[in-house]
Amino acid sequence: GAVVSQHPSRVICKSGTSVKIECRSLDFQATTMFWYRQFPKQSLMLMATSNEGSKATYEQGVEKDKFLINHASLTLSTLTVTSAHPEDSSFYICSARRGAYGYTFGSGTRLTVV
Amino acid sequence: GESVGLHLPTLSVQEGDNSIINCAYSNSASDYFIWYKQESGKGPQFIIDIRSNMDKRQGQRVTVLLNKTVKHLSLQIAATQPGDSAVYFCAERGTGGFKTIFGAGTRLFVKA
Repeated sequence: GAVVSQHPSRVICKSGTSVKIECRSLDFQATTMFWYRQFPKQSLMLMATSNEGSKATYEQGVEKDKFLINHASLTLSTLTVTSAHPEDSSFYICSARRGAYGYTFGSGTRLTVV
Repeated sequence: GESVGLHLPTLSVQEGDNSIINCAYSNSASDYFIWYKQESGKGPQFIIDIRSNMDKRQGQRVTVLLNKTVKHLSLQIAATQPGDSAVYFCAERGTGGFKTIFGAGTRLFVKA
């Protein structure tokens, strides 16, 4: 149990376009999901906390207008990278909270902006 | 601010030996610590966790030690296997919040 599906696993987009990444909890409800970004050979950096039915909470330095987060249901959160540029190329990972200590991570999305 | 760091960026061990990966944290208010394993191109995989009211916890082939006095966390892997090769992250969650903050990571190489 406790599976989180992230889609797509890889995406290549042109500079200036927008890309949507989905994070789904398949067998549990997640009132809170988290989005991380990971550059090569670096750690996971928390971007934002996504709460079902309310606005996301962004970490300091993360542009909320560039990284749009929507958590419209208890099983789905989406991250849209708007007007993507090459410097946005990264590995994006979501995590879904299940209870007080149960957190499950998605398999990640490799975004390449050309 | 909060930070969780690692002493060693890479660790190379012989198959069958024990591995020890270290981590330092700075937020004394953290009450929950986790070790994750990440293989290339994948999301983090939970290994073991420990709460701040404990100083040791054992799993299958893994042991986590917590020293709150010096704010130090370690992961011990017994009889390291080639399948253990990955990047290992320590992470922490503080009181009053649900955010998981990751450390810098240590790459473990297991030599056959």
